[in-house]
Amino acid sequence: AAGVIQSPRHLIKEKRETATLKCYPIPRHDTVYWYQQGPGQDPQFLISFYEKMQSDKGSIPDRFSAQQFSDYHSELNMSSLELGDSALYFCASSLVASGGLPSYEQYFGPGTRLTVT
Amino acid sequence: GQQVMQIPQYQHVQEGEDFTTYCNSSTTLSNIQWYKQRPGGHPVFLIQLVKSGEVKKQKRLTFQFGEAKKNSSLHITATQTTDVGTYFCAGGGFQKLVFGTGTRLLVSP
Repeated sequence: AAGVIQSPRHLIKEKRETATLKCYPIPRHDTVYWYQQGPGQDPQFLISFYEKMQSDKGSIPDRFSAQQFSDYHSELNMSSLELGDSALYFCASSLVASGGLPSYEQYFGPGTRLTVT
Repeated sequence: GQQVMQIPQYQHVQEGEDFTTYCNSSTTLSNIQWYKQRPGGHPVFLIQLVKSGEVKKQKRLTFQFGEAKKNSSLHITATQTTDVGTYFCAGGGFQKLVFGTGTRLLVSP
């Protein structure tokens, strides 16, 4: 079965540079989520999109922005990178509007490990 | 904001022993989900509980949702080395998940 695809898997950037992370959700899934996970931490919600519209926003810095495109893939843009941005960034997708009982299970991609030096 | 705590933070058991992690939310949850994350891996969905007092089983795993829908537990019977990982509970609706602090399980053969 198709899974969530994230690219790149690893990214090394210097302070003050920009980075773009890409996410390709499972086909026909209508919702995409972005999470940030620091070492030994739980995943922290950043932002979500439902049918290409921003659905909810969490602890996402103003330096970060995200969007979902017409083909449902999503990109997380990060500018003025700081050392503290070094983390695993997960994208997840789900099918919310299935027509049946609501199920909020999310399918996570393998993550992008961002290292800021 | 909503906070979800889990205890214990870490548990080391011998293979064959039982294991339980507890999840407590500061607010009432519409549903609770459980995820497992292997070392170096990504969270993998295990189960979703929706009803007050609900109990679900998956082989050696038993999940329970509290009557007040503010707490939950995951119990593993007779742990195996393949159970190693961090177990997260998570609450929320379709817009986002608020993850618990996680319980890291280590199983020695």
